[in-house]
Amino acid sequence: GAVVSQHPSRVICKSGTSVKIECRSLDFQATTMFWYRQFPKQSLMLMATSNEGSKATYEQGVEKDKFLINHASLTLSTLTVTSAHPEDSSFYICSASRVAGGLEQFFGPGTRLTVL
Amino acid sequence: QKEVEQNSGPLSVPEGAIASLNCTYSDRGSQSFFWYRQYSGKSPELIMFIYSNGDKEDGRFTAQLNKASQYVSLLIRDSQPSDSATYLCAVTGTASKLTFGTGTRLQVTL
Repeated sequence: GAVVSQHPSRVICKSGTSVKIECRSLDFQATTMFWYRQFPKQSLMLMATSNEGSKATYEQGVEKDKFLINHASLTLSTLTVTSAHPEDSSFYICSASRVAGGLEQFFGPGTRLTVL
Repeated sequence: QKEVEQNSGPLSVPEGAIASLNCTYSDRGSQSFFWYRQYSGKSPELIMFIYSNGDKEDGRFTAQLNKASQYVSLLIRDSQPSDSATYLCAVTGTASKLTFGTGTRLQVTL
């Protein structure tokens, strides 16, 4: 149990376009989903925390108008990188916490974004 | 001062030996402590978590927590080449937000 999927696993896009990444909890309901970004040889940095039906809470320095997060249901959250630029190229990883569980987060497999 | 600190490594141990990974954290209010393993190009996978002072064992892995010293460690017994990865320490406070260290790269040599 506790499987989280992400789609797509890899995306290449042109500068200025928008990219949507989906995060799904497949076998549990996620009260909270988290979005992380990881640059090469660096650790995961939390971008935002998303609760179903409410606005996401963004970490300091993360532009909410650039990284749009929608958490439409207890099993789906989406991250849209708007007007992507090469510096947005990174590994984007989502995680989810169970509704009735504790503090454990279950991570998706990640999405590698390359902006040309 | 970083919130969660780890030696970046690489830490090299021979196959069959014990690997000892260390982590310190700055927030005394931290409540939960996690160890994740991350293979290159993959997302982290949870190895184990610990909440209380002392040791917690799960198979070849033992987590050790000392809240007074703000220190958490992970021991891997009988290290295998497949254990070669980056090990991330993460902590949470009262909220469920995880703060990660930069990770320690472990190399298990034949």
